[in-house]
This record gives sequence, C-alpha cells and structure tokens, in this order.
Amino acid sequence: GAGVSQSPSNKVTEKGKDVELRCDPISGHTALYWYRQSLGQGLEFLIYFQGNSAPDKSGLPSDRFSAERTGGSVSTLTIQRTQQEDSAVYLCASSFRGWGNNEQFFGPGTRLTVL
Amino acid sequence: AQSVTQLGSHVSVSEGALVLLRCNYSSSVPPYLFWYVQYPNQGLQLLLKYTSAATLVKGINGFEAEFKKSETSFHLTKPSAHMSDAAEYFCAVSDRGTDKLIFGTGTRLQVFP
Repeated sequence: GAGVSQSPSNKVTEKGKDVELRCDPISGHTALYWYRQSLGQGLEFLIYFQGNSAPDKSGLPSDRFSAERTGGSVSTLTIQRTQQEDSAVYLCASSFRGWGNNEQFFGPGTRLTVL
Repeated sequence: AQSVTQLGSHVSVSEGALVLLRCNYSSSVPPYLFWYVQYPNQGLQLLLKYTSAATLVKGINGFEAEFKKSETSFHLTKPSAHMSDAAEYFCAVSDRGTDKLIFGTGTRLQVFP
C-alpha cells in the first residue's frame, strides 16, 4: 500500500516569499505530525493533528508557521515570509490513533532552501 | 520535559564487528522509546520500539535494544555489522498519553570493509 507522500520533494524560494508544503498521510491514519530536520537543530516536532481535536501547535517556531488538515486527511504546512533559517527538511508522519506507542510512518520529506 | 541523549555523533565499526549505539532518556516515568534509522536521502524508518511489554526488544535487520530503567538507557546493538547498516540512527521518546516524538541528535554509523 501507499506510504506517506510529500510534495514537493525540493523547494527553492527567495527570502520573504510564502511556501506551502503538502503531506498525504497513510489512508486510515488518524494522527498526522510535522517535524523539521536541520543541521543546527536536529529533528524537531512542529505540530500534531489527531482526529477532530484541536492541533498541538507547541512546536511551531514562530507565527509565520501554520498548518491545516483538511477532511482529516491531507495536511498543508505554510511558512509565510520565509527566512534563511527556515531552510531545512520538513518531514511529515502519520500514525493510527496516535497514542504514543504507535509507530509513526514518515514521508520522504520536503527539502526547503531559502535563498 | 522529556529529553534524549545520544552519546557519540559518529560511530565507526568494521564489517562483522559489534554495533553499539547509546541512548539515555530523562523521565520520571518509563516512556515509550524508539529507534529510527535514516538512510541517505530517505525518510525515517522504525527499527524497533519499547512499550513496556518486554525489556529486550528485537527489531528489523538484526538490531535489538534493551530497556534498563536503573540506567535510564535504551542502547541499540547488532552483533555483526554489515555495510548496508551505514546510516544515521535516531533514538526518540514519547510520553505516555502524548504522541509527539522527542528525538536525540542522531548517531551516524560508518561501516568499513
């Protein structure tokens, strides 16, 4: 079956522009997560969606970052007015029910480069 | 707050040698613990997870890890390294009842012939 997919795989943008990153989770998975992987910060949690509950946004680094999940499936991570420090690989993961001990399946990531 | 410490950002072993990657966690309550592997230019793949069912956990590709509460450790081992094991390995923790993963800084494993 299909795994987690992310698009685009690579994105190069200019400082100050807005970008949207897309994640298609595994069908039937109720929980969806965004993480960021960068040289300076390692792997960081950004945001988590579980069913119809309010998302856990505690990892978003600034108010330039936002995410939504439409229809309990596809998610879009939006970064407004991008900065060079936003350059990183953005990873999406999904799991069933999201109760901590469930495996999170990761997508291949979107590599964002801000010039 | 939960945290994970991986000792050694780089580990090099010869093919056929023992692999030992160290992970220590901080928690007053035994958490859920995970080891993920990331091959070059690929996403993260789960190697194994500890969820309190057994302290010795066996994973894919011959890897295993032992949960030691007294040492707050969850070290990853493999008896005999293979060239294909070269990758970056991440230890992660999640609180019981929460879902987000807190990752260690990763250990890059090199395997020499």
